[in-house]
Amino acid sequence: ESVLTQSPGTLSLSPGERATLSCRASLSVRSSLAWYQQRPGQAPRLLIYGASNRATGITDRFSGSGSGTDFTLTISRLEAEDSAVYYCQQYGTSPLTFGGGTMVEIK
Amino acid sequence: EVSLVESGGGLVQPGGSLRLSCAASGFTFSDYWMAWVRQAPGKGLEWVAHIKPDGSQILYVDSVKGRFTVSRDNAKSSQYLQMDRLRADDTAVYYCARVRSGPLFDYWGQGTLVTASS
Repeated sequence: ESVLTQSPGTLSLSPGERATLSCRASLSVRSSLAWYQQRPGQAPRLLIYGASNRATGITDRFSGSGSGTDFTLTISRLEAEDSAVYYCQQYGTSPLTFGGGTMVEIK
Repeated sequence: EVSLVESGGGLVQPGGSLRLSCAASGFTFSDYWMAWVRQAPGKGLEWVAHIKPDGSQILYVDSVKGRFTVSRDNAKSSQYLQMDRLRADDTAVYYCARVRSGPLFDYWGQGTLVTASS
């Protein structure tokens, strides 16, 4: 099983700043990594798949990078609506696993 | 527009059973794998299971094998999660999700809360 470790646990930034979220896999998952956003009280929403491909309708302020075991989600020009928990998910190995999440707070 | 609506959640005693349903619309249901993902209160996401379009293949997380059963009815554009021998640690919001190749989850329902408690 590939365990995903996300860091930091919480990120507190101001509007307009850039957020950098990390996801590290215990086993290589190649580029089989997705990112999801979950706003308070809502279902998760797919942001990124294949490590760097934006899902349909996702703004280009969200970008993903990485391969193997180290991945990054970058949110540029933070807005109030970006306040959420962000999860990574790997689908390169069985079973499918999620990271523990990073909470992004907008000051 | 893709829509996934779960129902059937509620309070059940440990050891009991519950059946969740997910009604899909806005896409050709029979073309897609479908999944269940859960989230314990205040915790992260956990993949539970997913089922092939024709129902011939189903994969489960180890913690629910032998207790949970996923099925689907393509004529009704619905999938189901039969949960037996429920435990307290099964308490969670259960989400229905559409699977895109990966597998990953490109559309999610709003979830239904299952509470296993005496």
